[in-house]
Amino acid sequence: IAGITQAPTSQILAAGRRMTLRCTQDMRHNAMYWYRQDLGLGLRLIHYSNTAGTTGKGEVPDGYSVSRANTDDFPLTLASAVPSQTSVYFCASSETSGRDTQYFGPGTRLTVL
Amino acid sequence: GQNIDQPTEMTATEGAIVQINCTYQTSGFNGLFWYQQHAGEAPTFLSYNVLDGLEEKGRFSSFLSRSKGYSYLLLKELQMKDSASYLCAVMDSNYQLIWGAGTKLIIKP
Repeated sequence: IAGITQAPTSQILAAGRRMTLRCTQDMRHNAMYWYRQDLGLGLRLIHYSNTAGTTGKGEVPDGYSVSRANTDDFPLTLASAVPSQTSVYFCASSETSGRDTQYFGPGTRLTVL
Repeated sequence: GQNIDQPTEMTATEGAIVQINCTYQTSGFNGLFWYQQHAGEAPTFLSYNVLDGLEEKGRFSSFLSRSKGYSYLLLKELQMKDSASYLCAVMDSNYQLIWGAGTKLIIKP
């Protein structure tokens, strides 16, 4: 593994189903982030984690949950998917939660029907 | 509220120079980032400015004026591979990135 990986690459999901998007980084970065990207809008922060064991809410957290049990993994869970959660989801990480560059995973394209 | 504005789309010719502007209003300022994003791919880091002035990195330069809430990304000697979206993002007082919607740059031969 080099950098950040995300799985799955894409997914079609029925409304009401539970879904976990996976994110793993091998850079030993302390901070990790989940964004969604929708056409015509900037990236919007869903949840973040400044260090293992801590998480925080971003701009659009409703309907999503995260956990950070260790440094490398930061899964995002949709408890009961709705069509408005159709989006491209990017995981990112940075060395610290300060003025550090964020590096992005390849993204997961999620369609909720 | 917090706001980042950049043009939706720009067109330029191969070999030419293009300037992509970004204006911002945010709660605090801890630097401005530019990212490049090719269609269907992840954003990749281009530049970071926290002090006023010009930062040059090869064919790409980025300028910041904190007093004017303004930045631009300058791309020289345009190549077809520069066709992409360019994202402006400001780090606010909570060290969170506020993103513009991106500028789609189309390069014509």
